[in-house]
Amino acid sequence: DGGITQSPKYLFRKEGQNVTLSCEQNLNHDAMYWYRQDPGQGLRLIYYSQIVNDFQKGDIAEGYSVSREKKESFPLTVTSAQKNPTAFYLCASSKTQGYEGVNTEAFFGQGTRLTVV
Amino acid sequence: DQQVKQNSPSLSVQEGRISILNCDYTNSMFDYFLWYKKYPAEGPTFLISISSIKDKNEDGRFTVFLNKSAKHLSLHIVPSQPGDSAVYFCAARTQGAQKLVFGQGTRLTINP
Repeated sequence: DGGITQSPKYLFRKEGQNVTLSCEQNLNHDAMYWYRQDPGQGLRLIYYSQIVNDFQKGDIAEGYSVSREKKESFPLTVTSAQKNPTAFYLCASSKTQGYEGVNTEAFFGQGTRLTVV
Repeated sequence: DQQVKQNSPSLSVQEGRISILNCDYTNSMFDYFLWYKKYPAEGPTFLISISSIKDKNEDGRFTVFLNKSAKHLSLHIVPSQPGDSAVYFCAARTQGAQKLVFGQGTRLTINP
């Protein structure tokens, strides 16, 4: 079945360490995204990528880095520079919205809960 | 600046009645709107969407209404069922842009 997979589901990190969250999709989607959810808040965009080898900062990119070497994969690294890394991280993918107005929804993975200890 | 706002953090509805979730936006360039449903510790799942050229879209028990002049959209669920208890997010996108902007979410509880 096609889908988007995030791993691991739960992740613990010591302060000062970098950690990488995995996101893989087999939906043949060009666009991929990373969002963060905190209690009582909506989903905030960290980074997104519209095509391989290209990505853009979202609203809260500081302390994070990404790469897009393959269409299927969009890993997110939470660096030690991120002040409040404990959160629920969501990866999503979608077809590329065309300028002719074709709209498509984004599909989300199951999320990774990162806890800094 | 919160471009998409869901002003009600929670809503409680009796089973079988109508649930109405509201969403307001400030960016007049938004032309595509979506509703997602989210259970705890899971990713959001897509429910229904509407393009700005329409004012209503229906899919089974779910109907989304768009009022462009008021920059307001709403999701109607009827009849409400216990499995509808979840957090609902509205989201919006501008034409040609890839990223979705999300509201804060509304926690819907369906009471038996």
